[in-house]
Amino acid sequence: SQQGEEDPQALSIQEGENATMNCSYKTSINNLQWYRQNSGRGLVHLILIRSNEREKHSGRLRVTLDTSKKSSSLLITASRAADTASYFCALHFTGGGNKLTFGTGTQLKVEL
Amino acid sequence: DVKVTQSSRYLVKRTGEKVFLECVQDMDHENMFWYRQDPGLGLRLIYFSYDVKMKEKGDIPEGYSVSREKKERFSLILESASTNQTSMYLCASSTPDRGQETQYFGPGTRLLVL
Repeated sequence: SQQGEEDPQALSIQEGENATMNCSYKTSINNLQWYRQNSGRGLVHLILIRSNEREKHSGRLRVTLDTSKKSSSLLITASRAADTASYFCALHFTGGGNKLTFGTGTQLKVEL
Repeated sequence: DVKVTQSSRYLVKRTGEKVFLECVQDMDHENMFWYRQDPGLGLRLIYFSYDVKMKEKGDIPEGYSVSREKKERFSLILESASTNQTSMYLCASSTPDRGQETQYFGPGTRLLVL
């Protein structure tokens, strides 16, 4: 399977702390995307990083990509209770057309 | 804003029933996708479509079929529902963007097959 692997599977932190989640994959990508899913809802796109980029920022989100290690990290700084959700990486594989392959997800819980 | 709607949030069906899940998007997107989501397995692609009347199998098409008669509507059909099709079903759409397509998701349909 080409599915991305995410770790940790679950993460519990205190409000104000930073949260880091990782995604690893096995074959060449065009881009890597991160999505968020609130409990029982659809996914919402957060950020996209292209294969020729190493780091990208959006508000409190920072994404890094290391194509030599085939891995990416999503950092959420100064977390809030409202950040509690599941986070998925999605891989746009080279030659994959318009499809995305989603990782298994990280469940983040931010406690007050 | 792109809006993707799914016909039901919750659905309960009996084994052997034919089940229709409808998805409609309002942004004239070419691409539409059906996924199922199960705990520990993430999202798995069932079928997708790049154009009207066009369909492609995803990773787990067995037991499912799809229909795309109009650009805005993509239907997932369970010909004869089975208990192992109990799952969360998510529809998504996207438009070609030079290899940077992002997907817009509906709220999901939680299907229980008894």
